[in-house]
This record gives sequence, C-alpha cells and structure tokens, in this order.
Amino acid sequence: DQQVKQNSPSLSVQEGRISILNCDYTNSMFDYFLWYKKYPAEGPTFLISISSIKDKNEDGRFTVFLNKSAKHLSLHIVPSQPGDSAVYFCAARSAGTYKYIFGTGTRLKVLA
Amino acid sequence: GAGVSQSPSNKVTEKGKDVELRCDPISGHTALYWYRQSLGQGLEFLIYFQGNSAPDKSGLPSDRFSAERTGGSVSTLTIQRTQQEDSAVYLCASSFRDTSYEQYFGPGTRLTVT
Repeated sequence: DQQVKQNSPSLSVQEGRISILNCDYTNSMFDYFLWYKKYPAEGPTFLISISSIKDKNEDGRFTVFLNKSAKHLSLHIVPSQPGDSAVYFCAARSAGTYKYIFGTGTRLKVLA
Repeated sequence: GAGVSQSPSNKVTEKGKDVELRCDPISGHTALYWYRQSLGQGLEFLIYFQGNSAPDKSGLPSDRFSAERTGGSVSTLTIQRTQQEDSAVYLCASSFRDTSYEQYFGPGTRLTVT
C-alpha cells in the first residue's frame, strides 16, 4: 500500500516555463512534507519542505503547496532551468516519528 | 565539509554470498538512516539509528539483513546469503537529530546480485 504517490513518472518542460510536480498521500497523520532532488549517481538532496500547518512555502524559484483536504502536495519551479533536470521525490513524515515515506519520483526534463 | 560517504560505490556479488556496505555520516550527525531503492521504486526505509538508543529495525525486509553503528559514527549494513531481489541502490543518510527534517544522503551503493 503506497502511502505517498507520484503518479507522473516523467515531465518535460520548456526552459523558462513553470514546472509543476505533483504528489498525493493517503495518511492524514503526516505532519511534514519534503521534496528532494536527485541527479544520476548521486544521493538525493533536500530541496524544500512544508509543515502540515501551512499551505505554502516558497524558496526562490521553488514553491511547495499543500492541500490537506485533498491530501495533495505540489512543487512549482519557475522559471525552469536546464539544471533543474533531475528526478524529484516527495516524502512525508508521520507526526511523532522519524520515518519518512518516499514517493517513486518524477523525472523532470527541462528543454533548452 | 565532507558529506556522507558510502563504499563501495558498486558491488557485484553472486547469489548466496554475504556483502557489507559501509556508510560514513557527516561528523556530529546523531541520526543515521539506511534506505533501499529498487528499480522503478521509491526509497524504502530499512533501519534508523539515533545516538545510543536501540535502532529501529522495522524496515529490514528479512533476517538476512542487519546493520550496526559503531561509536555512534560509521555504520555497516550486512546482507547475508544475497538473493537476486536484493539488487538495488542502498542509500545512507544522516541528520543532526531525529526530529530534523533535512537528511543528507550519500551517493549510494549499487548492489547487483547475479
């Protein structure tokens, strides 16, 4: 039973346009959500996070939106750059625990 | 400063053999995680260490898997009698404390069981 789902395995976006990566979850006990970015042959690197008490968090070109009623999380990258091409994982943590549940990832390709 | 390092970067082993994977966390990080990423899958939690507390081994898929962390620093993940389904990338991550949301990952060890 996959508690964190990224239903789009891949996404292609033109340079300069907006990239929107989506993530759905099923567990209402998740209290923290994170996005990681992964380049080939490297470990994931932390990108941005959001607490369940917020609905938006912004950091430069990256914004994460949380819709708790829909159990939906999205990452917006604007403007997209070729260097953003990577696999993006969303992850969630249950309140009071240290376990993180990761989605299967979305491969983003930003076309120059 | 140095990040999380893992060795070896690649390991090919025959079915039935034992393997040891090593993780050197960032100095001062008290929490250490092991994950596994099989082809087309997300990161699967395996085990968690925090300081001197007993590790959470609830993610280990079978009793062929074990891990230890010596002196609160270096960790070794051991897989005994490897099977083909053990083939995956094994990732180690560390964080400053168990409530930290930011984990720093190593580059992973790609294990192939033939």
